Amino acid sequence: EVQLLESGGGLVQPGGSLRLSCAASGFTFFTYAMTWVRQAPGKGLEWLSVISNSGASTYYEDSVKGRFTISRDNSKNTLYLQINSLRAEDTAVYYCARGVMVSTWDAFDIWGQGTMVTVSS
Amino acid sequence: QSALTQPASVSGSPGQSITISCTGTSSDVGNYNLVSWYQQHPGKAPKLMIYEGSKRPSGVSNRFSGSKSGNTASLTISGLQTDDESDYYCCSYARGSKLVFGGGTKLTVL
Repeated sequence: EVQLLESGGGLVQPGGSLRLSCAASGFTFFTYAMTWVRQAPGKGLEWLSVISNSGASTYYEDSVKGRFTISRDNSKNTLYLQINSLRAEDTAVYYCARGVMVSTWDAFDIWGQGTMVTVSS
Repeated sequence: QSALTQPASVSGSPGQSITISCTGTSSDVGNYNLVSWYQQHPGKAPKLMIYEGSKRPSGVSNRFSGSKSGNTASLTISGLQTDDESDYYCCSYARGSKLVFGGGTKLTVL
């Protein structure tokens, strides 16, 4: 079964850091671009970042550039998102998702269940 | 990158058709035929309904269709069913290899 499973969320103090993971299974992970999207409570979807299938190319939404780092380990079939200098407005469910076709990232067909990040003192 | 503009809500009766618009700019919707649409039920992950403007993934009903004119993309749902009631989000590829979502539209099936 094609599946994505996020982990690493939790309660963190403002200014802290967190690394989210997304474990992939059931497909050839290294051939697909991957992305992170978040959703604040009661709000809409917000695209954060994308990484190419090889990991050579990464792109970020302007508001998170410099604080967020996307990476992947194709040997472990795992995607990561490092988040630094956490702020209250980073409180959200964070989803990872797979590009709909090999090597493309204009749409995403497989999504994880999400991991909740709460930033509060 | 500003969010794409969607109506906050639309409604329709079972069996009817509705259309949800998604307006962007020449930097995103207008410059690429790479708009996707997602359905999201409360507490669930988004589900891809349309990609590359008008293509349906395997398993998505042909009652869902997508189109584009200029800077505005549209999602049409025909033969409305009660389980179509959900939030819908558009998303466009944008200049700089980025992506931008719309604010979301709540569909109510009366």
